[in-house]
Amino acid sequence: AQSVTQLDSQVPVFEEAPVELRCNYSSSVSVYLFWYVQYPNQGLQLLLKYLSGSTLVKGINGFEAEFNKSQTSFHLRKPSVHISDTAEYFCAVSEGAQKLVFGQGTRLTINP
Amino acid sequence: EAGVAQSPRYKIIEKRQSVAFWCNPISGHATLYWYQQILGQGPKLLIQFQNNGVVDDSQLPKDRFSAERLKGVDSTLKIQPAKLEDSAVYLCASRLMGDVSEAFFGQGTRLTVV
Repeated sequence: AQSVTQLDSQVPVFEEAPVELRCNYSSSVSVYLFWYVQYPNQGLQLLLKYLSGSTLVKGINGFEAEFNKSQTSFHLRKPSVHISDTAEYFCAVSEGAQKLVFGQGTRLTINP
Repeated sequence: EAGVAQSPRYKIIEKRQSVAFWCNPISGHATLYWYQQILGQGPKLLIQFQNNGVVDDSQLPKDRFSAERLKGVDSTLKIQPAKLEDSAVYLCASRLMGDVSEAFFGQGTRLTVV
């Protein structure tokens, strides 16, 4: 069965600084990987996804992630964060069109 | 395109009472999920439907939780009787059948059991 580990529960950064949110997964088969963002009192919104092809995936709001099969990782990055990026970020894995399994989440806090 | 609709947005009940949540997925999405998100945790799958059939309900506490998806469209999740530990946000999501791409989420129902 697949599982997801988000290595940091909270990440504080200063505005305009770069950020990396770490995600590792385990699965016995090929997987599809996702990053979702959750703003307060909102549902989950897709940031980006890796299905196949290029291992560097670009998403919305300037975020990107790199799929590393050998390290079973899918870390999320942004070169310069903004106050509006303050939110909870969830990494998720899916085997085929089945259920999404989520990590515990990383709370990103941007300080001015 | 209309998104996934959920109601109510908020609900407060006393323990041992019953409660029901409603979800209307995106039109044409055959796959529907109910997730439970406890504060400070990631969403946990409760049940997955494909049209009106259950695909996965391995983590649904069947002694108190039930869900149905009549006619393969709207879905209802019920808790009876509720416990304090059921306090959480209940998220509904939908996806095109066989689609490995994005699942679309509703805004969720925040349940507080007192």
